Amino acid sequence: DQQVKQNSPSLSVQEGRISILNCDYTNSMFDYFLWYKKYPAEGPTFLISISSIKDKNEDGRFTVFLNKSAKHLSLHIVPSQPGDSAVYFCAASAYNGNQFYFGTGTSLTVIP
Amino acid sequence: EPEVTQTPSHQVTQMGQEVILRCVPISNHLYFYWYRQILGQKVEFLVSFYNNEISEKSEIFDDQFSVERPDGSNFTLKIRSTKLEDSAMYFCASSDWGSGGLNEKLFFGSGTQLSVL
Repeated sequence: DQQVKQNSPSLSVQEGRISILNCDYTNSMFDYFLWYKKYPAEGPTFLISISSIKDKNEDGRFTVFLNKSAKHLSLHIVPSQPGDSAVYFCAASAYNGNQFYFGTGTSLTVIP
Repeated sequence: EPEVTQTPSHQVTQMGQEVILRCVPISNHLYFYWYRQILGQKVEFLVSFYNNEISEKSEIFDDQFSVERPDGSNFTLKIRSTKLEDSAMYFCASSDWGSGGLNEKLFFGSGTQLSVL
């Protein structure tokens, strides 16, 4: 049961341009969403999160947008840098649980 | 910055053998997790652990799996009789869940790559 979906397995972007990674979810009980970045041979590291009470959260070059009606969130990276090349996972959780559900990941390549 | 540590980084075992994957969560965290990622697939939840007992587990976490917190620092995942399909990267995580606000997140270890031959 894929409750969190990342439909684009890969994305290539030119350095300096915007990277947009998308994520969809099916469970209307989810109210907290996170993005993780993963380099090869390392564990996922937390990047940015957003609560369902907000529709946007910004941290430096990273902005997460949440559209609750569409059950969709996106991560914008601008400007993209070669060091941003990694696999990005979207994750979600519900207030009444302590489990995080992950998407399959999107591999971002930023071309110098 | 505090981190979750996992040992070993790689584990090779024969089918049917028992393996124990070890983790040291961040010291003041109360929730502990095991996730796994089979090559090319999604990160899958296995189990969460709180107050010395399992709080949630997935369908993957059958009778062959067990978790334990044998002392105040270690958190282990045991697979009693490994199968070929258990080959995956296993991630331990801990959480500052319950701290309130927007600070709940998982802190992951770097993983143990388990290869079952």
